[in-house]
Amino acid sequence: AQSVAQPEDQVNVAEGNPLTVKCTYSVSGNPYLFWYVQYPNRGLQFLLKYITGDNLVKGSYGFEAEFNKSQTSFHLKKPSALVSDSALYFCAVRDMKGGYNKLIFGAGTRLAVHP
Amino acid sequence: NAGVTQTPKFRVLKTGQSMTLLCAQDMNHEYMYWYRQDPGMGLRLIHYSVGEGTTAKGEVPDGYNVSRLKKQNFLLGLESAAPSQTSVYFCASSGTSGRVGELFFGEGSRLTVL
Repeated sequence: AQSVAQPEDQVNVAEGNPLTVKCTYSVSGNPYLFWYVQYPNRGLQFLLKYITGDNLVKGSYGFEAEFNKSQTSFHLKKPSALVSDSALYFCAVRDMKGGYNKLIFGAGTRLAVHP
Repeated sequence: NAGVTQTPKFRVLKTGQSMTLLCAQDMNHEYMYWYRQDPGMGLRLIHYSVGEGTTAKGEVPDGYNVSRLKKQNFLLGLESAAPSQTSVYFCASSGTSGRVGELFFGEGSRLTVL
């Protein structure tokens, strides 16, 4: 079965410092991987995805993610964190069981950026 | 540009009561989904639909029913609510081409079962 794991419940970063939010995956076949962000009392918003090609994927709000096949990881990164980046981040993998597109989400990582 | 709209946003039920959550999307998407979000567990898929008149079970379908009578609407029903169904429910939709795997979410419906 497809799955993703987010090993950190919370990540704390000082504003201006680089941030990394970790995600590892377990899939059969080629993975389709995603990052979503959830701000308080809102629905999830798409940030970026990896399907194929360049291992470094760029997305919204200055975020990027690095796909590493040998380590089965898809970590989310940003060179310089902003206080406004504080939110809940979810990694997800596409599941095609039954022939139809679904996303399986990780448990989420809360990012807190301190001034 | 409404996107995905969920109603109601908040609801309190007593154990055994029934209710329906409505999801509407205006993007002409084929796929629609219902997820529940619980602390420390992320989002879990309840049911989904790949087109008008079709539904399928997700990871945690027990205690829920769904219907997709119109392409733009996806209803989630609880026939006999239980405290374990206290959660935040999210509806999402996606297209079948182009932006593969990108889901558009509603703002959630917070349900409390006493």
